Amino acid sequence: EAQVTQNPRYLITVTGKKLTVTCSQNMNHEYMSWYRQDPGLGLRQIYYSMNVEVTDKGDVPEGYKVSRKEKRNFPLILESPSPNQTSLYFCASSAQGAGSKNIQYFGAGTRLSVL
Amino acid sequence: SQKIEQNSEALNIQEGKTATLTCNYTNYSPAYLQWYRQDPGRGPVFLLLIRENEKEKRKERLKVTFDTTLKQSLFHITASQPADSATYLCALDPDAGNMLTFGGGTRLMVKP
Repeated sequence: EAQVTQNPRYLITVTGKKLTVTCSQNMNHEYMSWYRQDPGLGLRQIYYSMNVEVTDKGDVPEGYKVSRKEKRNFPLILESPSPNQTSLYFCASSAQGAGSKNIQYFGAGTRLSVL
Repeated sequence: SQKIEQNSEALNIQEGKTATLTCNYTNYSPAYLQWYRQDPGRGPVFLLLIRENEKEKRKERLKVTFDTTLKQSLFHITASQPADSATYLCALDPDAGNMLTFGGGTRLMVKP
């Protein structure tokens, strides 16, 4: 089954404690991205990656890091989480190239609370 | 700056009626416009895509229109059912590239 898998689904942590949210896709998609979703602000892109070893900032990259060492994986790293990073996070992937139409496939989400 | 507006207030309609959701945008020239459905606690799911040179697209009970002059897309669900209750997001794509920009979504409630 084609899917994007995020882990963990729920996470409660404290300010300053480094954490990683993993994301994996099994569709051989080139493009992967991370979004955060907050009430009244909608989905905002944090980082994206067009392919292995190629990453770039989205609209709200401050406080986050990503890496793309393998095509299927795109982890989101919070080196020193702060309460304003409490949010619902989504990983997404899409195929690239002619005819792909940039349709995004989303993971189930990770609800993060930073105390 | 670029702006995408969807009605933040929930839309409540009776089962069997047609639901119409609006997506307006400014300072943007999208080549594509997409609609997604999001259920509580889950990730958005792609529904329909319409190109800038298409005026209307249909899929079963769904219809999307795209008016680049008005800078507006309308999303219709005919013969609505309680199972259609969800939040619907529009997303604009300037060139089928990488930066998809999402609206805030409109919550639809279909009452039996």
